[in-house]
Amino acid sequence: ETGVTQTPRHLVMGMTNKKSLKCEQHLGHNAMYWYKQSAKKPLELMFVYNFKEQTENNSVPSRFSPECPNSSHLFLHLHTLQPEDSALYLCASSQETDPYNEQFFGPGTRLTVL
Amino acid sequence: AQSVTQPDIHITVSEGASLELRCNYSYGATPYLFWYVQSPGQGLQLLLKYFSGDTLVQGIKGFEAEFKRSQSSFNLRKPSVHWSDAAEYFCAVGGRNNNNDMRFGAGTRLTVKP
Repeated sequence: ETGVTQTPRHLVMGMTNKKSLKCEQHLGHNAMYWYKQSAKKPLELMFVYNFKEQTENNSVPSRFSPECPNSSHLFLHLHTLQPEDSALYLCASSQETDPYNEQFFGPGTRLTVL
Repeated sequence: AQSVTQPDIHITVSEGASLELRCNYSYGATPYLFWYVQSPGQGLQLLLKYFSGDTLVQGIKGFEAEFKRSQSSFNLRKPSVHWSDAAEYFCAVGGRNNNNDMRFGAGTRLTVKP
């Protein structure tokens, strides 16, 4: 247990569906991240939040919409996804965004888009 | 731009044998370097990190890594592999020069033979 939980662990959705991924951290951290992990590719940073403010959006398509209501919770809202969006989506948190701080990862949500 | 290359996609070693996983990075300034491990169905866990000082870094689970600036490398080693070390290993580079982002390699999958 890393102190970062993600729900659901598995999600299958059609291209016209709307769904949300949830991440919660119990570590008192101020920074939270969404990563996409596709097979045989490096981990891709999608979004960064620091003190609930989005500080980075790495050219992610608008069909992915993040939300950070407080420092402990992070959501990724999904709509009209494409099959190539199928991947493992990992949430992470750290005390601050400075890379000196270790990032703690959740177990991920395995997303399949049909 | 910063980047990480892990030349070996898959490595198989016998239990009790020594292990070295290769990592080469590209970064315009002093890098922060990390090794993470991901067991099946789990998120990433930090094994060790290098920021400055002694170029030989000790981590958890008996792993160590050596920073070689002249070779732009940060290889991970373990003198005697255990079956429980079978997992995916990711090298990452970060630093304050690039929005505090970390860049991950594509990973090396380790199989341990009995």
